[in-house]
Amino acid sequence: AQSVTQPDIHITVSEGASLELRCNYSYGATPYLFWYVQSPGQGLQLLLKYFSGDTLVQGIKGFEAEFKRSQSSFNLRKPSVHWSDAAEYFCAVGAGAGSYQLTFGKGTKLSVIP
Amino acid sequence: EADIYQTPRYLVIGTGKKITLECSQTMGHDKMYWYQQDPGMELHLIHYSYGVNSTEKGDLSSESTVSRIRTEHFPLTLESARPSHTSQYLCATSQGGKAFFGQGTRLTVV
Repeated sequence: AQSVTQPDIHITVSEGASLELRCNYSYGATPYLFWYVQSPGQGLQLLLKYFSGDTLVQGIKGFEAEFKRSQSSFNLRKPSVHWSDAAEYFCAVGAGAGSYQLTFGKGTKLSVIP
Repeated sequence: EADIYQTPRYLVIGTGKKITLECSQTMGHDKMYWYQQDPGMELHLIHYSYGVNSTEKGDLSSESTVSRIRTEHFPLTLESARPSHTSQYLCATSQGGKAFFGQGTRLTVV
């Protein structure tokens, strides 16, 4: 069975500082990986996804994530955080093409201080 | 943590049938969402509700409709199912910005 761990429940960073949100997954084959953001009162918005190819993935809003197979990780990064990035971030792993299986982590809440 | 129940988990139905996918939650969350997911792909928001008698369409156009008569229930209805509706439908709630997910309903229309 696949699983996703987001070790950090809550992270606080200063505006302009760099950000890294951790995501570790457990899956026997090459997973499909996603990062979503949920702002207060909004639905999930896809930031980026990894299916195959280049292990460094660029997403929207200046986010990027790197797939590291050896570490079973897919950490989300942003070089300079903006106050509007404050939200809940969810990592998810899918079982690949043709599969409905999608497992979410429990989320990391990001707070941004001026 | 919220308990979200979706029924049925799996449904195979013929073209033209009317179906209702049930979603219920026990934590009293006001915000509820329906997402559609094709195999191996990301979620797409099709409906959301901010509370009783509040329903809005999401980013992805859908022929389904929803209702929110009670806080606990957010059913999704397809008046006439078609093969193009074959997908997984995931219900979610949110509270304080944190999302909670149901197990999903895998719908196959033949």
